[in-house]
Amino acid sequence: ETGVTQTPRHLVMGMTNKKSLKCEQHLGHNAMYWYKQSAKKPLELMFVYNFKEQTENNSVPSRFSPECPNSSHLFLHLHTLQPEDSALYLCASSQEGSGPGNTIYFGEGSWLTVV
Amino acid sequence: ILNVEQSPQSLHVQEGDSTNFTCSFPSSNFYALHWYRWETAKSPEALFVMTLNGDEKKKGRISATLNTKEGYSYLYIKGSQPEDSATYLCAFLFGSGNTGKLIFGQGTTLQVKP
Repeated sequence: ETGVTQTPRHLVMGMTNKKSLKCEQHLGHNAMYWYKQSAKKPLELMFVYNFKEQTENNSVPSRFSPECPNSSHLFLHLHTLQPEDSALYLCASSQEGSGPGNTIYFGEGSWLTVV
Repeated sequence: ILNVEQSPQSLHVQEGDSTNFTCSFPSSNFYALHWYRWETAKSPEALFVMTLNGDEKKKGRISATLNTKEGYSYLYIKGSQPEDSATYLCAFLFGSGNTGKLIFGQGTTLQVKP
């Protein structure tokens, strides 16, 4: 059982659709992240939120729009995506401020297919 | 460009065999090196977070070593079991402070045959 829950687990959307991925962490952490896993590529960091403030945008196209209403919830809003955006999107959380030795905890991911 | 390399890409061993994988990372501006195990349809699970040169960590049959001066870490599995079958990821922490700014390698996929 993971302390980071992602919904939906699978999503198929057309290129003109608008959808959202949701992440909730039950670990009391103050930082949350979106990572992307494309086929045959390493996990890539997309966005970082510390204390609800976005601190990192790793050159992600604007068709991906993150939202962090509080330290426990993170959304990824999707609109006018391309087929090459089909991937596994992983949410993660950690407790920041205690040094580099902190573990980050991942959700099980949301599989996105853009048709 | 920061790059994390893992080898081999995949590995097939028999139950009971011992095995090891390599993770190579930039040796400058080192903060931490993470190892994860990722089983199919599950979330990546943290195995170790290593921060000091010469660190050795152990969890059951799995252990890891760290050499920050030369930029490599080894993960060892002693007496592999079928349940060890998974993809093993290493990740290099870049930038001070923010734990989640990890650069991942592509992983080593281990298959243990009964």
